[in-house]
Amino acid sequence: QQQVKQSPQSLIVQKGGISIINCAYENTAFDYFPWYQQFPGKGPALLIAIRPDVSEKKEGRFTISFNKSAKQFSLHIMDSQPGDSATYFCAASGTASKLTFGTGTRLQVTL
Amino acid sequence: EPEVTQTPSHQVTQMGQEVILRCVPISNHLYFYWYRQILGQKVEFLVSFYNNEISEKSEIFDDQFSVERPDGSNFTLKIRSTKLEDSAMYFCASRRGANTGELFFGEGSRLTVL
Repeated sequence: QQQVKQSPQSLIVQKGGISIINCAYENTAFDYFPWYQQFPGKGPALLIAIRPDVSEKKEGRFTISFNKSAKQFSLHIMDSQPGDSATYFCAASGTASKLTFGTGTRLQVTL
Repeated sequence: EPEVTQTPSHQVTQMGQEVILRCVPISNHLYFYWYRQILGQKVEFLVSFYNNEISEKSEIFDDQFSVERPDGSNFTLKIRSTKLEDSAMYFCASRRGANTGELFFGEGSRLTVL
């Protein structure tokens, strides 16, 4: 029940395209859903996060869509750039509890 | 901008040796965590620490592991007798409060057990 399932495992997108990464969770006690970006050799860095009281959150080129009834959320990267090439992890947690991470998506944005 | 700092960045050790990984969380944060990431795999929770005690730990965090906050700034992870499978990147993270979601991660300590 603590799992967060993430897909796809890897993604290749052309520059300017839209990158979409999906996650699903089981634990209805989760109330915080962040996306982390990780470059090789670095720690995960928070990209954007959402709470279940809203269905969408947008920050610049990054948008989280959240479907509470389906227990799914997704990250959309608009106008993808080569500098976005990284591994992206979705995660979920309840209040004051640990973050549970998805398995990660390796994104490559080609020229 | 405040950040979580970790030392060492890379440690190589022999199997069976003790290792201590050190972290300095962000100064006004109250919740501290250790995560690990085996190469190419997902980030896995090890332990959380609040109010000078462990608040939650995973199955990975067995008797070989311990955490300590020896003073007001450092947060350490000790592995008593390292095994080959302990080779991983270990990340320290901190959070300001219970209802403040964002977890700030350090750059990690790479542990290689030979």
